[in-house]
Parts: sequence; C-alpha cells; structure tokens
Amino acid sequence: AQKVTQAQTEISVVEKEDVTLDCVYETRDTTYYLFWYKQPPSGELVFLIRRNSFDEQNEISGRYSWNFQKSTSSFNFTITASQVVDSAVYFCALSQDSNYQLIWGAGTKLIIKP
Amino acid sequence: SQTIHQWPATLVQPVGSPLSLECTVEGTSNPNLYWYRQAAGRGLQLLFYSVGIGQISSEVPQNLSASRPQDRQFILSSKKLLLSDSGFYLCAWTEDANTGELFFGEGSRLTVL
Repeated sequence: AQKVTQAQTEISVVEKEDVTLDCVYETRDTTYYLFWYKQPPSGELVFLIRRNSFDEQNEISGRYSWNFQKSTSSFNFTITASQVVDSAVYFCALSQDSNYQLIWGAGTKLIIKP
Repeated sequence: SQTIHQWPATLVQPVGSPLSLECTVEGTSNPNLYWYRQAAGRGLQLLFYSVGIGQISSEVPQNLSASRPQDRQFILSSKKLLLSDSGFYLCAWTEDANTGELFFGEGSRLTVL
C-alpha cells in the first residue's frame, strides 16, 4: 500500500531555533517522486521541492534543507534559524509513476513564536 | 505565465442549497485538473481529477460532482449541500501528473449552515 505519514501533528518552537519536520512514506514502486508543500494561513498551497527516487542527494535552499533516505523511506524537512513567517502547515506528498494522484500526508502545523 | 483562479473565495450556504465553484487556468493547454477538500485542521482529500475535457474521475462517492466543459475550466457542483460539505476547497493543476508539481488556486471556503 502507498502511504505518507507525518507523525508530528503540531510543532511549536521559538524563533531562530532549528526545526525538523518528519515524513515517512511507503510504496512498492521503484520510481516515485516526493514533494513538500507549504500552506500559510492564507490557505493557498505552495510547492517547495520535488525529489525523484533516484536522487538521494540532500538539497539546501537558503534556510531550508531536505534529507532523503531511501533506507528508512524518509524525506525530512529542516528549517534552520526559523522565522515567524515560516509558521504554516507543511505537507509531504508522494507521486508514483503508475497513477495520476498525489498521496498526501496529514500535514504538520508549525508554529514559530517570536 | 500560467495562472489559476478559483471563485468564490468565501461562500455561506444553507443546507439543501446548490453549489457551484469554478476554477480556470490560463497560460497552458490540456492541464490535469484537480479538486481537493480540506476539512478544518485536517489534510487534503482528493475529490475529482480530470485529464481532459469531459474526463472526470471521482475519488470519493458523495453528493458532489465535477465537470470540465472547456480545456481550462473545472467546476465543482452539488445539487443539495450537506453540513458535512463544509470545508476549504482547492483547485489545482499540473502539466505532468506523475512528475510535475501542483499549482493551487487561492481556495474557496464553504460554510454550510
């Protein structure tokens, strides 16, 4: 079965702390794609990153970094030196080569306190 | 550049009334289109997706329906709303359903009273 688990329902940290959002996935496909989306309070989801199953290199974009580990089926997202504007719900998602759907995690609500 | 718009942004409707949410995409052709619903404090639930005009796939049996009368137009409808239809509805599109990122509309918040 295909599944995405974001075990952390809500995380609250103080500004400037580092925070990691966990994502664990299940799939039988060898070709798949993993995504992270951000949903700020305004509601519109914003694409953050896509990673295919053959590329395990970690990626860094400014204060954001992603750690993809096939051995543990995880695609974790770390925000360094968090800011209040990072407060949002973050979704991890899985796309398989064999169908048209994204499989979504339940989301992690991140609260950054000033 | 491509844009996606959906409307209305906010809607308050009585139980039993009809619903029509509209979504249009500009700047691309033959997009894959999606309707999602997000209940308060919960994740995304795929309702419908469409790979072309007149082609609609339903993921959740319910009293909602979707139509795609034109290539870049996707409509979510209901003949009689239920209280449980309340939620945040998001339209999205992508060029490549398997590898492409989804681009979301602004969302439509529906409250059924």
